[in-house]
Amino acid sequence: GENVEQHPSTLSVQEGDSAVIKCTYSDSASNYFPWYKQELGKRPQLIIDIRSNVGEKKDQRIAVTLNKTAKHFSLHITETQPEDSAVYFCAKEGSQGNLIFGKGTKLSVKP
Amino acid sequence: KAGVTQTPRYLIKTRGQQVTLSCSPISGHRSVSWYQQTPGQGLQFLFEYFSETQRNKGNFPGRFSGRQFSNSRSEMNVSTLELGDSALYLCASSLLLGRDTKNIQYFGAGTRLSVL
Repeated sequence: GENVEQHPSTLSVQEGDSAVIKCTYSDSASNYFPWYKQELGKRPQLIIDIRSNVGEKKDQRIAVTLNKTAKHFSLHITETQPEDSAVYFCAKEGSQGNLIFGKGTKLSVKP
Repeated sequence: KAGVTQTPRYLIKTRGQQVTLSCSPISGHRSVSWYQQTPGQGLQFLFEYFSETQRNKGNFPGRFSGRQFSNSRSEMNVSTLELGDSALYLCASSLLLGRDTKNIQYFGAGTRLSVL
């Protein structure tokens, strides 16, 4: 199928610590893997994405890694700050170009 | 450039009624996708329209339907509302240039539907 499994569903860290969210998928045809962040009461917004021809991509404190062989990809946030608190969704491109989302991870960063 | 616009923002209906939600995509975007968001269930895919054609459909009952107009605006309709239909309904638009391109989806603010 084209499901995306996302773990954990909730994650609580201390400010300054790192946070890691992992997603796995089953089909092998996907080439595009975006991550969205949804702050409370706001719309989901793209924060970083990766294509299958690279294994890692970084943007300041955020990085995404992709292992196509193992069919999993992860979001890494370093030096977390309270404003990183939000729900994070991983997604992958479906067979017809649509996006298939994971169920989300609620990240809480405690000051 | 104006973002994705959804109307109305809030809606209260009673069981058995029907409702129509509207989504205006970013200018130039021809793909519109609809999602239902409930606490703990993430973004559940309803359907996607491209050039007035439904290309993809999620696992929702036939009470949920949609359409897209020639200007790419899309509407979603839910008939015979049930209490469980209470949710935030999000639409997202993208250029959708095809596979192997970055089909970034831009979300609207959503319509919060409450069914009493």
